[in-house]
Amino acid sequence: AQSVTQLDSQVPVFEEAPVELRCNYSSSVSVYLFWYVQYPNQGLQLLLKYLSGSTLVKGINGFEAEFNKSQTSFHLRKPSVHISDTAEYFCAVNRISGGYNKLIFGAGTRLAVHP
Amino acid sequence: DAGVTQSPTHLIKTRGQQVTLRCSPKSGHDTVSWYQQALGQGPQFIFQYYEEEERQRGNFPDRFSGHQFPNYSSELNVNALLLGDSALYLCASSEDTAYEQYFGPGTRLTVT
Repeated sequence: AQSVTQLDSQVPVFEEAPVELRCNYSSSVSVYLFWYVQYPNQGLQLLLKYLSGSTLVKGINGFEAEFNKSQTSFHLRKPSVHISDTAEYFCAVNRISGGYNKLIFGAGTRLAVHP
Repeated sequence: DAGVTQSPTHLIKTRGQQVTLRCSPKSGHDTVSWYQQALGQGPQFIFQYYEEEERQRGNFPDRFSGHQFPNYSSELNVNALLLGDSALYLCASSEDTAYEQYFGPGTRLTVT
């Protein structure tokens, strides 16, 4: 069975500092990986996705992630965070079962950016 | 271009009652998935609809049922509500052949 582990439940960081949110997955087959962001009292917004090709993917709002197949990781990074980046971040794996797909999410990482 | 829309925004129900949540997919999308997000947790897959049929289901009891209409919009029905059904219910839409899903703002259900 596939699973997603987000290694940090909370990450506090100062404004303009770099940040890395860690995500590991387990799967016996090829996977497709996603990061979503959830602002307070809102739904999920797609930040970026890895489907194939280059292992370094760039997303919206200056975020990027690197797919590492040997370490089964897909860590999210941003070189300089803003107060507005304060939100919950979810890593997700697309599970293809019986030809149909569904997302399996991690428990989330709360990013708190302080002035 | 309107994204995924959901209604209502908030809902308060009493234990034992029934509830219906609604979702309209993003334009051009024909597949709708429903997820439950309990407080402090990641979303959990409930089921997915395509061509008006449920084609995949997560680990949820039969009290959870759904429907998809010819215009691709969808409903989620929950019968015999339990306190533990209190959560944010998220609808996501996608194209049948695509792997990424786009989410609506969710419906916050509170069961008292």
